[in-house]
Amino acid sequence: GAVVSQHPSWVICKSGTSVKIECRSLDFQATTMFWYRQFPKQSLMLMATSNEGSKATYEQGVEKDKFLINHASLTLSTLTVTSAHPEDSSFYICSARDQTSGRYLQYFGPGTRLTVT
Amino acid sequence: DAKTTQPPSMDCAEGRAANLPCNHSTISGNEYVYWYRQIHSQGPQYIIHGLKNNETNEMASLIITEDRKSSTLILPHATLRDTAVYYCIVSGFTDSWGKLQFGAGTQVVVTP
Repeated sequence: GAVVSQHPSWVICKSGTSVKIECRSLDFQATTMFWYRQFPKQSLMLMATSNEGSKATYEQGVEKDKFLINHASLTLSTLTVTSAHPEDSSFYICSARDQTSGRYLQYFGPGTRLTVT
Repeated sequence: DAKTTQPPSMDCAEGRAANLPCNHSTISGNEYVYWYRQIHSQGPQYIIHGLKNNETNEMASLIITEDRKSSTLILPHATLRDTAVYYCIVSGFTDSWGKLQFGAGTQVVVTP
């Protein structure tokens, strides 16, 4: 299957700082990528849809000025958590949609665990 | 608003078939049924998907009822590595860009 990577796999940062998470589709091009957040013992919650070359679309309740998304190329989307606070500590997961096969399947990255101290 | 209903948990004996049910009574005509699973602290893994016909791949089989209001994921010979949360998701291009909305899923525990 198609491979999606994320970097870093885990990060610890201090409150008030910003953190950037990268999501890459390694063997396919992805016009559309998605960002999710998962708190302990909960399901994945969709945060935003990222389209190459255009502004991201955020789900209701997600602060677009806090979670900055950039989809600068067909293989890379980044999520920047600005002015992070302890409540932003979570597991962040991206997915990329593979349209080349004609099946439009989403493949997920391994996730990034963010801890804000 | 939840589009699918799954049992919260299931136990399965190693080597036996695991049958995971999913109800999606409000599915639209152009929505697909997707199955993903998430092993602890990892990203979800795609398993299988279908529209109305039964599907089979190297991982599992998907049986969709004729009225498309429910489906069953079958893991033919469960192994300990199949212990995971399994998510049944319906999605189509009626949702912008085919977004996947995850519910609570079914926690499957495979025991020796």
